[in-house]
Amino acid sequence: IAGITQAPTSQILAAGRRMTLRCTQDMRHNAMYWYRQDLGLGLRLIHYSNTAGTTGKGEVPDGYSVSRANTDDFPLTLASAVPSQTSVYFCASSASRTGDTDTQYFGPGTRLTVL
Amino acid sequence: GQNIDQPTEMTATEGAIVQINCTYQTSGFNGLFWYQQHAGEAPTFLSYNVLDGLEEKGRFSSFLSRSKGYSYLLLKELQMKDSASYLCAVMDSNYQLIWGAGTKLIIKP
Repeated sequence: IAGITQAPTSQILAAGRRMTLRCTQDMRHNAMYWYRQDLGLGLRLIHYSNTAGTTGKGEVPDGYSVSRANTDDFPLTLASAVPSQTSVYFCASSASRTGDTDTQYFGPGTRLTVL
Repeated sequence: GQNIDQPTEMTATEGAIVQINCTYQTSGFNGLFWYQQHAGEAPTFLSYNVLDGLEEKGRFSSFLSRSKGYSYLLLKELQMKDSASYLCAVMDSNYQLIWGAGTKLIIKP
């Protein structure tokens, strides 16, 4: 593995179903992030984690949850998917969340469609 | 509220120069980032400015004026592979990145 991987690449999901998007990084970065990207809008932060064992809410956290059991993995869970959660989801990481090492590097994304 | 403004779309000719502007209003400032995003791909880091002035990196340069809340990305000697969206993002006082909607750059031969 080099960088950040996400799985699945794409998914079609029935409304009301539970879904976990996976994200793994091998750069030993402390901070990790989940964004959604919708046409015509900037990337919007869903949740973040400054370091293993801690998480925080971003701009659009409702309907999503995260966990950070270790440095490498940061899964995003949709407890009960709704059509408005149709989007492209990007996971990102940075060495830290403050200071001059906060450049974020992105995974390839997961395209999720909720019907 | 916090706001990042950049043009929705620009068109330029192969071999030419293009300047993509970004204006911002944020609560605090801890740096400005430019990312490139090809269609269907992830954003990739281009540049970071935290002090006023011009940062040059090959064919790409980025300028910042903190007093004006303004930045631009300058692309020289345009190539067809530069066709992409360019995202401006500002890190606010809480070290959260605020993203613009992106500028889609179309390069014509």
